[in-house]
Amino acid sequence: EPEVTQTPSHQVTQMGQEVILRCVPISNHLYFYWYRQILGQKVEFLVSFYNNEISEKSEIFDDQFSVERPDGSNFTLKIRSTKLEDSAMYFCASSVSKGNGNQPQHFGDGTRLSIL
Amino acid sequence: GESVGLHLPTLSVQEGDNSIINCAYSNSASDYFIWYKQESGKGPQFIIDIRSNMDKRQGQRVTVLLNKTVKHLSLQIAATQPGDSAVYFCAEISGYSTLTFGKGTMLLVSP
Repeated sequence: EPEVTQTPSHQVTQMGQEVILRCVPISNHLYFYWYRQILGQKVEFLVSFYNNEISEKSEIFDDQFSVERPDGSNFTLKIRSTKLEDSAMYFCASSVSKGNGNQPQHFGDGTRLSIL
Repeated sequence: GESVGLHLPTLSVQEGDNSIINCAYSNSASDYFIWYKQESGKGPQFIIDIRSNMDKRQGQRVTVLLNKTVKHLSLQIAATQPGDSAVYFCAEISGYSTLTFGKGTMLLVSP
């Protein structure tokens, strides 16, 4: 069964450094998402992306965050200057159509980001 | 019950029992709901979904019930197996495509 794949599985970064998290969505999917999950808390929406532009973003997704689809397969999340509170699991997801169109979002296994 | 911080509601069952996991959602305008299973160290895994024009949907060993009047969603797992042990999240679609997750319930299945 097709999967969303994320790399790396664990990223350790010094505070203030830039980090790029990478995702390969399912190949026929058109909608892409980033979520994060702080340890012990629920999964929170960050951003959705369609047709090479952001569709929606949450309050968490401030100017330090950006997303890009640099080629036909990868979808990346960049954090420009990391803070301690950015430490979390970051999940990428993709779906065939937009979320309220009866097509569920499928998630990768996440990247654990640890900020020192 | 409610969960705060690291404390998740936990449901402990014996292998072979039926499990019922409940979820209260917040947005009366939400029209699409999904149950996800999350095992330790993995991402949320799709289990079953339901649209708001339905009140019940069945899958393999799982049934989702939706009560829009009281904004309540439940997941029933028949003949629970040790491999079903995980945290279960309900999620609702609000807005264009944003998934809003509930706090999760930990299911522990004893052999």
